[in-house]
Amino acid sequence: NAGVMQNPRHLVRRRGQEARLRCSPMKGHSHVYWYRQLPEEGLKFMVYLQKENIIDESGMPKERFSAEFPKEGPSILRIQQVVRGDSAAYFCASSPGVDEQFFGPGTRLTVL
Amino acid sequence: GENVEQHPSTLSVQEGDSAVIKCTYSDSASNYFPWYKQELGKRPQLIIDIRSNVGEKKDQRIAVTLNKTAKHFSLHITETQPEDSAVYFCAAAAGGGADGLTFGKGTHLIIQP
Repeated sequence: NAGVMQNPRHLVRRRGQEARLRCSPMKGHSHVYWYRQLPEEGLKFMVYLQKENIIDESGMPKERFSAEFPKEGPSILRIQQVVRGDSAAYFCASSPGVDEQFFGPGTRLTVL
Repeated sequence: GENVEQHPSTLSVQEGDSAVIKCTYSDSASNYFPWYKQELGKRPQLIIDIRSNVGEKKDQRIAVTLNKTAKHFSLHITETQPEDSAVYFCAAAAGGGADGLTFGKGTHLIIQP
């Protein structure tokens, strides 16, 4: 049973470009969470999605950031017009519901 | 919203000694408290969790205690080994774990040989 998959693992963008981060949950998991981790800091919750629904986006900036989890395919975290402050590791996690969240390997975004 | 404080930020112990990391939370609705271990450049991995209907849980050398009244929970690692060196994060969530996790800032545990 494959774990949570994220791609790309590393992403370099110039300021003003768009970044698309993908997350495939574990088989059988319908809950997906996105977190951001700045260097030497803890993880900050961004958004919680179930298939085709955003359940909680309280941690996601209102501008430039969006997330989706379509009926088919991976969950996507999209950052438009990236700025240097968006440089971070972005982790997604999945869960079957009320049990532990399993984390993916993360996408390390660098904005030049 | 929830706020989780974690102490200490760095902890250095001799191999074989015990390590204790403490966290407090603010939201009385939180009822799920996991602990994650993260090695450099790797993903966070769950090492133990506790729900608010129990006060203590143990798994081999690792134990977690929860005091709901005081809103604090602690991680205890006994007989520490070099491979225990990592950053440890506590977290809290409502909804039995279905909600997004609020993490502490982490404790860098260093095991001295």
